[in-house]
Amino acid sequence: DTEVTQTPKHLVMGMTNKKSLKCEQHMGHRAMYWYKQKAKKPPELMFVYSYEKLSINESVPSRFSPECPNSSLLNLHLHALQPEDSALYLCASSQGGLSNQPQHFGDGTRLSIL
Amino acid sequence: TQLLEQSPQFLSIQEGENLTVYCNSSSVFSSLQWYRQEPGEGPVLLVTVVTGGEVKKLKRLTFQFGDARKDSSLHITAAQPGDTGLYLCAGPRGYQKVTFGTGTKLQVIP
Repeated sequence: DTEVTQTPKHLVMGMTNKKSLKCEQHMGHRAMYWYKQKAKKPPELMFVYSYEKLSINESVPSRFSPECPNSSLLNLHLHALQPEDSALYLCASSQGGLSNQPQHFGDGTRLSIL
Repeated sequence: TQLLEQSPQFLSIQEGENLTVYCNSSSVFSSLQWYRQEPGEGPVLLVTVVTGGEVKKLKRLTFQFGDARKDSSLHITAAQPGDTGLYLCAGPRGYQKVTFGTGTKLQVIP
C-alpha cells in the first residue's frame, strides 16, 4: 500500500468544469510535488511545495492552481482544462525536498478531459 | 540541460530470461535512483546509487553506477511476470528537482 494517498483515482470532466485533485501523506515529509505523466512517458514536474510554500512552478498554465493547506495535504485545482491536459497526475513527497532524497509517489489520478 | 537517455525503450521477453537496462548521460550526477512503475500505480523507488563504480543487489536485480557517475545499469536475472513495468532512472537536477530518464517499458511473458 502506498503511503501517499491520492483522490479521486479517476476523473472525467468537461472543459468548463472546476474540480480538485487531493493528495495526503502522513510520513512527516516537508516537501510535496505534483507531476503530470502521459502514457509510456516519464513524469514531468509541475510544482514543488517546500515547508508549505510554493518553491517551484515549472511554467504551468494558470488553469492549474496548486494549494498546500498544511504539511500533510496538497491540492491541485483545475479549471477550464484542455483535452491535451488528459493524463495521469501524480503526487509525491520527500523528507526535506532536496533533489537527492527519494520521492514517495501516490498511485495518481487519471484525468480525462472531454 | 541534464538528460538521461534509457535503452532499450521497450523490451518484451520470456519468463526466465535475463536483461539489462541502461541509463546514460553526458553529465555527471551526484547520485542516481531507479524506480519501477507498475500499470495503474505510481513509481516506487528500487535503489539509490551514490558512489562511482558502486554495485547494489536487490534479490534478482543488480544495479551499477558507472565509474564516472554518468551512467547506470539495471540487470535482471531470470525475469518474472511480476517484473513487468516501466523502469525509470532519475538524477538530481539543481536543488529540488529531479530529472527522470526516458523510461524502459518491460513486459515479461509467462
